[in-house]
Amino acid sequence: KNEVEQSPQNLTAQEGEFITINCSYSVGISALHWLQQHPGGGIVSLFMLSSGKKKHGRLIATINIQEKHSSLHITASHPRDSAVYICAVSRGADGLTFGKGTHLIIQP
Amino acid sequence: NAGVMQNPRHLVRRRGQEARLRCSPMKGHSHVYWYRQLPEEGLKFMVYLQKENIIDESGMPKERFSAEFPKEGPSILRIQQVVRGDSAAYFCASSPSAGNYGYTFGSGTRLTVV
Repeated sequence: KNEVEQSPQNLTAQEGEFITINCSYSVGISALHWLQQHPGGGIVSLFMLSSGKKKHGRLIATINIQEKHSSLHITASHPRDSAVYICAVSRGADGLTFGKGTHLIIQP
Repeated sequence: NAGVMQNPRHLVRRRGQEARLRCSPMKGHSHVYWYRQLPEEGLKFMVYLQKENIIDESGMPKERFSAEFPKEGPSILRIQQVVRGDSAAYFCASSPSAGNYGYTFGSGTRLTVV
């Protein structure tokens, strides 16, 4: 079983819809990260969370430490949000452990 | 602030050649991480370096792969005698310190072995 599981693996939605991507992890962590990767592109760090909730524009990330679960929400989704969203966890100073990513397509 | 710079963006090597991938961390960042993304697979940790030191190389293949982060200059990931299975995207990330300071990623180097 992977240490970091994401769902769904693929998600297609219409422009304007509210999007939720889920991430569960099975190890103790110091922080959880949400990353965005466009096809053939680099990786952008969206959020780093150790508790509670963070908001940046139309993106919201939450984490429940007791349940070992995090969600990434996108409000008023737009075609430019189409990308792979990756959940990753860090344990102290070590490198990140990644989920397999959620491929999101927002259709106009 | 140019961010994390990786070069080259694309690299084509024939089987048996050497590949050198470079990563210049963000200004002020002294911690560098290398990750590999194989086709249709997730990202995997390879190695964590600080200036002149390898801190954790538990994700590096035991043979043909090496990494360094000298006192001066970029971090280098070196792959000797490349094979087709080395074809992947290699990403570098940097951090100002150990612990929860966040990471900044480079744009990656896409290695193709022909």
